[in-house]
Amino acid sequence: AQSVAQPEDQVNVAEGNPLTVKCTYSVSGNPYLFWYVQYPNRGLQFLLKYITGDNLVKGSYGFEAEFNKSQTSFHLKKPSALVSDSALYFCAVSLYGGSQGNLIFGKGTKLSVKP
Amino acid sequence: DSGVTQTPKHLITATGQRVTLRCSPRSGDLSVYWYQQSLDQGLQFLIQYYNGEERAKGNILERFSAQQFPDLHSELNLSSLELGDSALYFCASSVEGRGADTQYFGPGTRLTVL
Repeated sequence: AQSVAQPEDQVNVAEGNPLTVKCTYSVSGNPYLFWYVQYPNRGLQFLLKYITGDNLVKGSYGFEAEFNKSQTSFHLKKPSALVSDSALYFCAVSLYGGSQGNLIFGKGTKLSVKP
Repeated sequence: DSGVTQTPKHLITATGQRVTLRCSPRSGDLSVYWYQQSLDQGLQFLIQYYNGEERAKGNILERFSAQQFPDLHSELNLSSLELGDSALYFCASSVEGRGADTQYFGPGTRLTVL
């Protein structure tokens, strides 16, 4: 069965420091991988996705993620965190080549950036 | 603003009742998805439609049903409501409904069952 794990419920970072939000996945086949962000009382906003090609994917708001097939990971990173980055971050996976597009989400990681 | 609209924003109802949640996808998107977000279950996929046809089914209860209309808007019907159905229900849309598609999410409908 497909699954996504976000091992940290919360990540605390000081403003200006680099941040990493971790994600590992388990799928039978090649995955498509996504990161979404959710601000309080808002819907999910798309940040970036990995489909194929370059393992380093750049997305919105200065975020990037690195696909690592051997470690089955897709960690989200940002070189310099902002207080406004504080939100709930979700990693998700869908299956390569399928006609269905439903996403399997991780539990989410709450990112807190302090001034 | 993702371009996906959902109504109503909030819904408060009693156990045993039936409600309908509505979703309008982004212009040009043919596929609609419904997800449920709750504290204990997290974000769970319920059902996907593509151009009016059901394409995939997830952890959707038999008391729940959905459809996508010719104008591509979708409705999620929840019946015989229980306290545990209280959650945030999201609709998302994408162009073709395939795995590589980016899904764009609406703001959600918060359902409270009393």
